[in-house]
Amino acid sequence: EAGVAQSPRYKIIEKRQSVAFWCNPISGHATLYWYQQILGQGPKLLIQFQNNGVVDDSQLPKDRFSAERLKGVDSTLKIQPAKLEDSAVYLCASSLVGGQGYEQYFGPGTRLTVT
Amino acid sequence: EDQVTQSPEALRLQEGESSSLNCSYTVSGLRGLFWYRQDPGKGPEFLFTLYSAGEEKEKERLKATLTKKESFLHITAPKPEDSATYLCAVQPFMYSGGGADGLTFGKGTHLIIQP
Repeated sequence: EAGVAQSPRYKIIEKRQSVAFWCNPISGHATLYWYQQILGQGPKLLIQFQNNGVVDDSQLPKDRFSAERLKGVDSTLKIQPAKLEDSAVYLCASSLVGGQGYEQYFGPGTRLTVT
Repeated sequence: EDQVTQSPEALRLQEGESSSLNCSYTVSGLRGLFWYRQDPGKGPEFLFTLYSAGEEKEKERLKATLTKKESFLHITAPKPEDSATYLCAVQPFMYSGGGADGLTFGKGTHLIIQP
């Protein structure tokens, strides 16, 4: 079974530029999550989708971050404009169905460096 | 606010030297407690989910246990390939419903097993 795919794996941009990350979840997984992992920290949830609807975006900095999940499959996370503190690994995860009993499986992440 | 504290931050063991990692948590209602393993440059890899106090799960040299306030990850006779960062996360029970089930992670324990 193919895992969660993410691209690009690495990205370097200057502050105030924009960037986008792509995620393809495990086939059949209805729930998709984006997490931000700053060096030395555990992942922090940014947004959760159930199919193509947003379930939780309470921790998403909406003035600069946006995300969408078209047709309930692939998802894109965008940052515009980027700040130095956005340097982190952005992880995408998916689960079969939200809730108890369904583990979240993570992709390899995209490492963003903002200079 | 949900909180997860892991200790120690780092642990260095000799091959074959057994030990335990601690995860203390504060959550209004626990739906599940998760353990993940993370290797450098990779996304977290799912290990275990525990749902209720007294529950135990095992996988090879790893055994996870759960009480009402903390979880332990016991590693028995570790090998160098067990070296990784081990992450603990809680999934809260959402009394308000809505399906939000993102994980709250600790900072992790960086484990090094020396041959």
